[in-house]
Amino acid sequence: DAGVIQSPRHEVTEMGQEVTLRCKPISGHNSLFWYRQTMMRGLELLIYFNNNVPIDDSGMPEDRFSAKMPNASFSTLKIQPSEPRDSAVYFCASSLGAGFTEAFFGQGTRLTVV
Amino acid sequence: DQQVKQNSPSLSVQEGRISILNCDYTNSMFDYFLWYKKYPAEGPTFLISISSIKDKNEDGRFTVFLNKSAKHLSLHIVPSQPGDSAVYFCAASAAGTALIFGKGTTLSVSS
Repeated sequence: DAGVIQSPRHEVTEMGQEVTLRCKPISGHNSLFWYRQTMMRGLELLIYFNNNVPIDDSGMPEDRFSAKMPNASFSTLKIQPSEPRDSAVYFCASSLGAGFTEAFFGQGTRLTVV
Repeated sequence: DQQVKQNSPSLSVQEGRISILNCDYTNSMFDYFLWYKKYPAEGPTFLISISSIKDKNEDGRFTVFLNKSAKHLSLHIVPSQPGDSAVYFCAASAAGTALIFGKGTTLSVSS
């Protein structure tokens, strides 16, 4: 298996623009997670899907952030409008279930908002 | 409030010596604990885990210890190698929940 695939690897955008990050989880995994890594906060959970249904979105910072999982093989994280403080590395991860199992991470998308 | 805390941002160790990375947690519902390793420009990769019914798990040079009463776990790497230089994240979960990560500890192993 190719592992968790994220695109793009790097994104530079201007403040106010819409940004869409994409993720293809490992085939057969039924849980998907979006994390954000910053120096100040480390790896923080944004949202967690199980069987394509959002289970916990308490980490989504504001209404500017939204995530969807239309099917088992694809998820998006959208920021609209983007702000400079959204600059971070965004990771997608997937696992077989949640709790008592490890999650497998993609290589991340480095987002820079100028 | 952080549920998983790694209070040491960095650790420097000489090659061949033991590296000890520490992690504290506050949520008593956590029952599964993991360590991840991260190299620059890559995603975190799973290293080793332990369930709350155990107090030790060993895999080659890596051993994780869990002290439930103190809500503390540690990762021991022995002997340390230069290739172990990376950021190490501690993570924890309860049944049916996502992994919650600490802020990470940067380990530097010098030859």
